[in-house]
Amino acid sequence: GNSVTQMEGPVTLSEEAFLTINCTYTATGYPSLFWYVQYPGEGLQLLLKATKADDKGSNKGFEATYRKETTSFHLEKGSVQVSDSAVYFCALSDPRTSGTYKYIFGTGTRLKVLA
Amino acid sequence: EAGVAQSPRYKIIEKRQSVAFWCNPISGHATLYWYQQILGQGPKLLIQFQNNGVVDDSQLPKDRFSAERLKGVDSTLKIQPAKLEDSAVYLCASSPQGLAAYNEQFFGPGTRLTVL
Repeated sequence: GNSVTQMEGPVTLSEEAFLTINCTYTATGYPSLFWYVQYPGEGLQLLLKATKADDKGSNKGFEATYRKETTSFHLEKGSVQVSDSAVYFCALSDPRTSGTYKYIFGTGTRLKVLA
Repeated sequence: EAGVAQSPRYKIIEKRQSVAFWCNPISGHATLYWYQQILGQGPKLLIQFQNNGVVDDSQLPKDRFSAERLKGVDSTLKIQPAKLEDSAVYLCASSPQGLAAYNEQFFGPGTRLTVL
């Protein structure tokens, strides 16, 4: 079945450091890929998305490229801020295979940015 | 635009008791999801509604969990009787019909359930 694997956290960085959070997926079809962010005490918010191979999603300085050849969707940011401290979830949706639009989530990666 | 509303935000119960959670999706959103997020794990879909019909409940423990979405708007999720392993955050999400390519889901703040 479909699955998502994320790097384990927590990830601790200094402000202005470069961020990479790895995400790889297994899917039998052609999934859409998402990154969601969960700030303390809040619900999940969509950060960015990509629906086909080589698409690049971007938002708030974060980027991720849909790489079909490596089945990856790594999240990157050139210079993190303290306010980026949160839990980041990679997810896929594969309606052509599953018949529904449900998400399959990774386990989440906690990011802590130090001033 | 108002977001997805959930209540209560927190609930503590004893095992074998029953509990109910409520969700009000974004106005006009046809699809509603309930997810269970156990500490340290990603959210797992419990049930998906399209209007007031169930689309997917394959991972819902039907011996103790039930959900309904009357009139295709609000939804309630019930656990009866609760077990210790039900301790989790229960997330409700909604999405508009027709956005097949992106299928963005909008999440509520969640209800944190602790079963003692």
